[in-house]
Amino acid sequence: DAGITQSPRHKVTETGTPVTLRCHQTENHRYMYWYRQDPGHGLRLIHYSYGVKDTDKGEVSDGYSVSRSKTEDFLLTLESATSSQTSVYFCATGGGGLSYNEQFFGPGTRLTVL
Amino acid sequence: QKEVEQNSGPLSVPEGAIASLNCTYSDRGSQSFFWYRQYSGKSPELIMSIYSNGDKEDGRFTAQLNKASQYVSLLIRDSQPSDSATYLCAGYTGTASKLTFGTGTRLQVTL
Repeated sequence: DAGITQSPRHKVTETGTPVTLRCHQTENHRYMYWYRQDPGHGLRLIHYSYGVKDTDKGEVSDGYSVSRSKTEDFLLTLESATSSQTSVYFCATGGGGLSYNEQFFGPGTRLTVL
Repeated sequence: QKEVEQNSGPLSVPEGAIASLNCTYSDRGSQSFFWYRQYSGKSPELIMSIYSNGDKEDGRFTAQLNKASQYVSLLIRDSQPSDSATYLCAGYTGTASKLTFGTGTRLQVTL
């Protein structure tokens, strides 16, 4: 009954291939976010969405695109993967419940680009 | 310039002691702060939220916010080995519920 799921959980791909990561939520939260987490850098925001079809860039958006066609789903696409995009990717949701600013994280996707 | 700063640690405390984790921030407009716990290989888990100056207690956890000095702290009383994790501090930046995260402090609770 997990409220936020991510797929795939692990992926190994080659440089230059396209990759799409999926985040699915059952919380009916308005906002959704994609982060990457790397040693020494912590969590960095890639893109976020404030509603269906409404998205904006975060601090490390180069090389990534997103789409949100339904409230429940937020897709992150690496058009042409590079080794520098090897990372752990977390989806988060927020904008519901008692605190509008709290965010809740999915289990993460470990991506390796060879 | 990183907007939310944390000492990376590790902070080592004996079992049963109080662990004190600190975080400073540069944006005076930051309105609310959050502490997340992250076990190795897992995702961040929200453990405390604080929105106003002062202390907020929840079980063994106390969050403290001092807006004049621009720091946030998390106290863990009666520390247990299961508290060993990385603790992330995050501040609300004022738009679209976006948070800025510190790089985290690793806490080790020793037997």
